[in-house]
Amino acid sequence: DVKVTQSSRYLVKRTGEKVFLECVQDMDHENMFWYRQDPGLGLRLIYFSYDVKMKEKGDIPEGYSVSREKKERFSLILESASTNQTSMYLCASSPGGAGSETQYFGPGTRLLVL
Amino acid sequence: ILNVEQSPQSLHVQEGDSTNFTCSFPSSNFYALHWYRWETAKSPEALFVMTLNGDEKKKGRISATLNTKEGYSYLYIKGSQPEDSATYLCAFPGSNYQLIWGAGTKLIIKP
Repeated sequence: DVKVTQSSRYLVKRTGEKVFLECVQDMDHENMFWYRQDPGLGLRLIYFSYDVKMKEKGDIPEGYSVSREKKERFSLILESASTNQTSMYLCASSPGGAGSETQYFGPGTRLLVL
Repeated sequence: ILNVEQSPQSLHVQEGDSTNFTCSFPSSNFYALHWYRWETAKSPEALFVMTLNGDEKKKGRISATLNTKEGYSYLYIKGSQPEDSATYLCAFPGSNYQLIWGAGTKLIIKP
């Protein structure tokens, strides 16, 4: 059974703190993604990675960075958290290649920045 | 800019009734259309990947149709049950490996 796990389900941080969100997949997938989801909006892509140490900006990368040192792990970093980064963060992975590939999601991290 | 639209935004349906909702996407350069279901406190999970015009897919009481020429897909739920309450998302491949997501249809089944 495929599995994507995220380090926290709920997180409360203060403005200016550095925040790490971890994602691990056990399916040997090439691609990994970080999204945020806000009410009334579709999932918005922050960053994705198609290989170890490779990363590409998505639609809303500002204020975020990522790290992929190992194939199974993709980390999202908020260098200095701000209140407008309060959101639901979802990690996903897919086998690789084309847009017909199914993405497999983690349970999400609901982040509140005070 | 590619845009994926879903309607309605939310839907209240009586248990036992059937329902359907829509995903609209760019009709040019069609590649695939994804449907996902996202239940509260769970991970979004894939329902269907549709690739052929006129395609119809079915999973239990849920089915989906695809019209690539006019750029829409319908998701149908027959005889809604409380466990069908979820947000249903559709997504369309953009550049590289990205999916462009609709905002979702939130379905609430009233007992």
